[in-house]
Amino acid sequence: ETGVTQTPRHLVMGMTNKKSLKCEQHLGHNAMYWYKQSAKKPLELMFVYSLEERVENNSVPSRFSPECPNSSHLFLHLHTLQPEDSALYLCASSQEASGGGELFFGEGSRLTVL
Amino acid sequence: GQSLEQPSEVTAVEGAIVQINCTYQTSGFYGLSWYQQHDGGAPTFLSYNGLDGLEETGRFSSFLSRSDSYGYLLLQELQMKDSASYFCAVSPRVGANNLFFGTGTRLTVIP
Repeated sequence: ETGVTQTPRHLVMGMTNKKSLKCEQHLGHNAMYWYKQSAKKPLELMFVYSLEERVENNSVPSRFSPECPNSSHLFLHLHTLQPEDSALYLCASSQEASGGGELFFGEGSRLTVL
Repeated sequence: GQSLEQPSEVTAVEGAIVQINCTYQTSGFYGLSWYQQHDGGAPTFLSYNGLDGLEETGRFSSFLSRSDSYGYLLLQELQMKDSASYFCAVSPRVGANNLFFGTGTRLTVIP
């Protein structure tokens, strides 16, 4: 148990569907992140929120839309995805400005796009 | 851009010592972290080097040389449960945890 919970753990969707991934952290952190993990590739940073404001967006396609309603919750809204978007989506949290390179990850949502 | 290189696979015998290297080329550098990820699990933090030298945490140690843009993770007294993927990650600037990760090294520990 890492203190970061992601739901659903598995999701299968068609290219025309709309779905959302949810992340909740119980650690009192003030920064949250979305990473994408594909086979044979490094974890790719997608979005960073600090104090509920988006501070980084690494050129992610607009079919991925993040939302951070408060410091404990983070969503990733998905629409009209492509098969190459199939991957493990990892949420993480940290205490921003603490440095120290320590992120707390959830176990991820495994997404399959048909 | 950001580039972190690690060996893709390493195999070692139970009880032995293994070293996983990481070389990096990044537009900013503040520190180097290491993470462990078991199949189906979350990446978990192992160690962080903000300064050159060796950091020791139990059976695991991590080393950084800024001048060589190089670091390594050293695992001693290997156990079967250490079989996992290991990732190095760079903090690009002070106080930030928006890490850039390497491709990961798959460690297999054999009896």
